[in-house]
Amino acid sequence: ETGVTQSPTHLIKTRGQQVTLRCSSQSGHNTVSWYQQALGQGPQFIFQYYREEENGRGNFPPRFSGLQFPNYSSELNVNALELDDSALYLCASSLRLGTSRPYEQYFGPGTRLTVT
Amino acid sequence: AQTVTQSQPEMSVQEAETVTLSCTYDTSESDYYLFWYKQPPSRQMILVIRQEAYKQQNATENRFSVNFQKAAKSFSLKISDSQLGDAAMYFCAYRSGVSNFGNEKLTFGTGTRLTIIP
Repeated sequence: ETGVTQSPTHLIKTRGQQVTLRCSSQSGHNTVSWYQQALGQGPQFIFQYYREEENGRGNFPPRFSGLQFPNYSSELNVNALELDDSALYLCASSLRLGTSRPYEQYFGPGTRLTVT
Repeated sequence: AQTVTQSQPEMSVQEAETVTLSCTYDTSESDYYLFWYKQPPSRQMILVIRQEAYKQQNATENRFSVNFQKAAKSFSLKISDSQLGDAAMYFCAYRSGVSNFGNEKLTFGTGTRLTIIP
């Protein structure tokens, strides 16, 4: 069973630039959630994707956007980077079966983004 | 909106001893899940234990157990026989139990850094 993987491990961007982070979900999982974890804080929910559509979004501006692909992998895109976007970005995958209770979310190792 | 509070930024325990990490939460829902996640320096968030709100019995996973007090909205984690590998940040998290699209987000506390003293 392959776990959740994320790429890149870390990267450095300049304020105003755009960035794309990638996540491959665990085998058999169909739902992907993204979280932002600032230094010394707990993760904050950004949004979740199921069946290639966003369903559920936290308190993040529209310049945070995402995609989910038919193989359930996902991308997080951030436009017009700001210094406060510097954080660890975590991806988590889970399995949803219709309207049944959701299953646990399993996390990837994260991408450390530094904006200068 | 749900909130999760961890009032202990740091804790330390002697190896082989027992330590308890505290967590309180606020919600108006009756159906929900509570979790403890461990985040070692490798950064990967690892699920330690989960508790369903409708279950009165406290969850146990080997050396890890919880004290779930629903009326008090308290959810503490007890680690017995502490080991050096237990050193990490520990996060308490809440999730709604209603399978309504958009309600599946995890709400985390600010974490407790646990140090194990050899």
